[in-house]
This record gives sequence, structure tokens and C-alpha cells, in this order.
Amino acid sequence: GAVVSQHPSRVICKSGTSVKIECRSLDFQATTMFWYRQFPKQSLMLMATSNEGSKATYEQGVEKDKFLINHASLTLSTLTVTSAHPEDSSFYICSARDRTGGITNEKLFFGSGTQLSVL
Amino acid sequence: RKEVEQDPGPFNVPEGATVAFNCTYSNSASQSFFWYRQDCRKEPKLLMSVYSSGNEDGRFTAQLNRASQYISLLIRDSKLSDSATYLCVVKQGGSGSRLTFGEGTQLTVNP
Repeated sequence: GAVVSQHPSRVICKSGTSVKIECRSLDFQATTMFWYRQFPKQSLMLMATSNEGSKATYEQGVEKDKFLINHASLTLSTLTVTSAHPEDSSFYICSARDRTGGITNEKLFFGSGTQLSVL
Repeated sequence: RKEVEQDPGPFNVPEGATVAFNCTYSNSASQSFFWYRQDCRKEPKLLMSVYSSGNEDGRFTAQLNRASQYISLLIRDSKLSDSATYLCVVKQGGSGSRLTFGEGTQLTVNP
């Protein structure tokens, strides 16, 4: 079964509204989670690295005030797309890092993704 | 130059064919390499890690050439269910776990 749960799987919203996407690690603690965005026929692009208990690290070109990340617990990170516009329509995927077996045996698990459509 | 570059594709092959995908990466300090497969509008799923000695998993064989910064994936006896996009993924060194994805190569296996 899934070890990372991402919700919602699909959301359609009006321009100007905010959308929150949740990413949960189900049976391990994830101090670090990653948020990606994927446009049609393009690669997954890392948006930001979410660190539990501290500020997220954003990739160049990603607006931190527009894409708010909160990682308040060891099993939950949220991405909020604020004041969404049609150009924000994309597939958003999270991944969580599992270091239960140590750094050298770390695994990355992906959520099932969220398809955001902004009208 | 992109950090990870793949064959543009798409590849359309008949069932039973052998197909090979190529990938190059630009950062010589990259330490780990993977092939993922992604179905349409789904999350990527790890297909296999790639080791310098080359490794095989059933019908899938992966090769790594560090000197040329080149990675390959060979699929033998392709099945309809192999139809997907194959992503070449590179992980940088250190503890950051940062993955860099290629744009993917789309494969369609036809009956």
C-alpha cells in the first residue's frame, strides 16, 4: 500500500483562490519532504525542500510567498498555492524521505500527485 | 545545458521488441542514478537503480558509464504493460537527497 498519501488528487478552482495540498508519510517519520511540479510533457521540477520545524528551501525562480510550505510535524507537509492563476495549473507531486534504515539506506517515496486546474 | 538529458522519443515498438533508452548527465559529481517509470498523470515509480557494474532485473538492464556520464536502459521482450514514460534520474552527492529528473522518454508498445 501507499506509504505517502497526497490529497486531494484533483482540484479545480477559480482564479484568485488558494489551494492547499497535503502530503503525509503513513508509516515513517519524514524530516524532509520535497515538492515537485510537472507541466504536460515536461520533467518533474523541484520546487522546494520542506524541512520539519524550519523554513522550506525554495529553488531558484519559485516564489516562496506564492507557494507556502508548512512542515509542522514529522508526518505532514502542506503546500498552499495562494492566489492561484491559470498558469499555476499543473501536476504537483510530493515525496518524503525515509531514513529509518540510516542515511545510506534512505528511500524516497512519492505521493500520488495532485492535478490542479485553475479556471 | 540541461542537467539530465534523454532521448526525445517517442518510441513506438511492437510487442516482443527490444528497446534502448539513453541518458546523459552534466554533473560529474553525481553519485546515484535511477530509472523511474511514470504512467500518465501518476507519480513516478522506481524501476531500478543503476550501478557502475551494470545490473539486470528480469527483462530490464541498466548500464552506467561514469567516464562518459552516460546511463542506459534496455528493455527486452517488451510487453504492452511496458508502455509508459521512462525517466532518467540523477541524485547529487551529500545528504540532500536532491533528485534531478530528465524529461522522460515515452514508450508505446503496440500489439
